Amino acid sequence: GNSVTQMEGPVTLSEEAFLTINCTYTATGYPSLFWYVQYPGEGLQLLLKATKADDKGSNKGFEATYRKETTSFHLEKGSVQVSDSAVYFCALSPYSGSARQLTFGSGTQLTVLP
Amino acid sequence: GAVVSQHPSRVICKSGTSVKIECRSLDFQATTMFWYRQFPKQSLMLMATSNEGSKATYEQGVEKDKFLINHASLTLSTLTVTSAHPEDSSFYICSARYRDRLTGELFFGEGSRLTVL
Repeated sequence: GNSVTQMEGPVTLSEEAFLTINCTYTATGYPSLFWYVQYPGEGLQLLLKATKADDKGSNKGFEATYRKETTSFHLEKGSVQVSDSAVYFCALSPYSGSARQLTFGSGTQLTVLP
Repeated sequence: GAVVSQHPSRVICKSGTSVKIECRSLDFQATTMFWYRQFPKQSLMLMATSNEGSKATYEQGVEKDKFLINHASLTLSTLTVTSAHPEDSSFYICSARYRDRLTGELFFGEGSRLTVL
């Protein structure tokens, strides 16, 4: 079946540090990949997505590249801010281009200190 | 942007009672809504897919008589946890997709934390 393995947290960084949150997946076919973010007390929000191999999703300074050869979709940001503190979820949909029936990773808690 | 709202955000109930959680799409119509459950420090687990005007489709291992899902309109889906027990305590999250759109992102509610005493 489909699965997503995500870097365990919590992750604590100082402001302006480089962030990497690892995500690898198992799926058949050509899944779409997503990163969602959940700020304290709020629902999940789509951060970025990639629908085919070698696609790079980017938003708010965050980036992730769909690597089919390594089945990975690592999240990166060059310089984190305190406001980036949140829980980050990697997810996949088995349907190309669709967000139906998402399979989520376990989530990674990020805390950025001033 | 599209907004999905859940209510209540927190609920505490006694064992044996039933609890209803509402999921509303506030500014769009959602043919399909999804219900997830999240245990502490674990993934979101898809419980069921709720389709407007028809019966929900439950994932394997989810008791349909325990978790009643109703999607009576294009903007409202409800999850009722019947005869709740402490093991039903969890964080429940709904999501919705724009009507008639098979592709694109899902919009999530804020989640509802259920504690059964």
